[in-house]
Amino acid sequence: EAQVTQNPRYLITVTGKKLTVTCSQNMNHEYMSWYRQDPGLGLRQIYYSMNVEATDKGDVPEGYKVSRKEKRNFPLILESPSPNQTSLYFCASSLSGRRALGYNEQFFGPGTRLTVL
Amino acid sequence: AQTVTQSQPEMSVQEAETVTLSCTYDTSESDYYLFWYKQPPSRQMILVIRQEAYKQQNATENRFSVNFQKAAKSFSLKISDSQLGDAAMYFCAYSLDSNYQLIWGAGTKLIIKP
Repeated sequence: EAQVTQNPRYLITVTGKKLTVTCSQNMNHEYMSWYRQDPGLGLRQIYYSMNVEATDKGDVPEGYKVSRKEKRNFPLILESPSPNQTSLYFCASSLSGRRALGYNEQFFGPGTRLTVL
Repeated sequence: AQTVTQSQPEMSVQEAETVTLSCTYDTSESDYYLFWYKQPPSRQMILVIRQEAYKQQNATENRFSVNFQKAAKSFSLKISDSQLGDAAMYFCAYSLDSNYQLIWGAGTKLIIKP
C-alpha cells in the first residue's frame, strides 16, 4: 500500500531532551516536507526537501533540523525541544520536486502529536 | 506576505443540504494552484479538490465543487447533499508555480446535523 508513515504517533518529552520523528514514504517521491499544525494557525511548513541531499527552510524552521540521506526517509530532529514546539506534526511527500509543488498531489502521513513539558 | 484567510471558524449544515465554505488568498503572482483539504477526527489530511489558476473552469469532484474568482482572489468550496461523513476541518491552501511551499488557511470546522 502506498503510504507515508510517521513514528512515533504520540510523544511526551521534557524540555531539552533531543528527539527524532521519523518519516518514510514508499512511493519513490522526490519531494518531502514537514509541517506543524497549531489551532487557529493551520499548517506551517518547517522544512522541505526537493530530493536526496537537498533540503530548504520553510516558514518556521527555528529549533528544527532535517536530513535527507535516502530518498524514502526524511527525519525531523529537535535538538533541544521547548514547550513552544508542542504541536501536531505532519510529514508529506509528492512525486516530483522539479515541477511546481501544486502540480502533483501531496500525500500526508498520519501525524505525530508531540508534547514538550 | 502571502496569506490565506478562512473567515468562518465553524459552520453547520443539515444533512442532505448544501454548504459553502469561503476562502480568500493574497498573492501578486498569476500562476498558482489552489486546494481544499479535509481533516476528519482521525487527523489524516485528505485532498478534496484542486484548481489550477490558469484554468477558468471551476473544478468539481462528485459532490464537491469550487467557485474560483481569480480577480477577487476567492476560492470557495461547495458541498452538495451533505453527509455525516463530511464532518471535518476543511483547510484552504495554495502553492505558487514558482516555489515549493504550500500556504494554508486556519481552517473551518464543518458540523453536519442529522
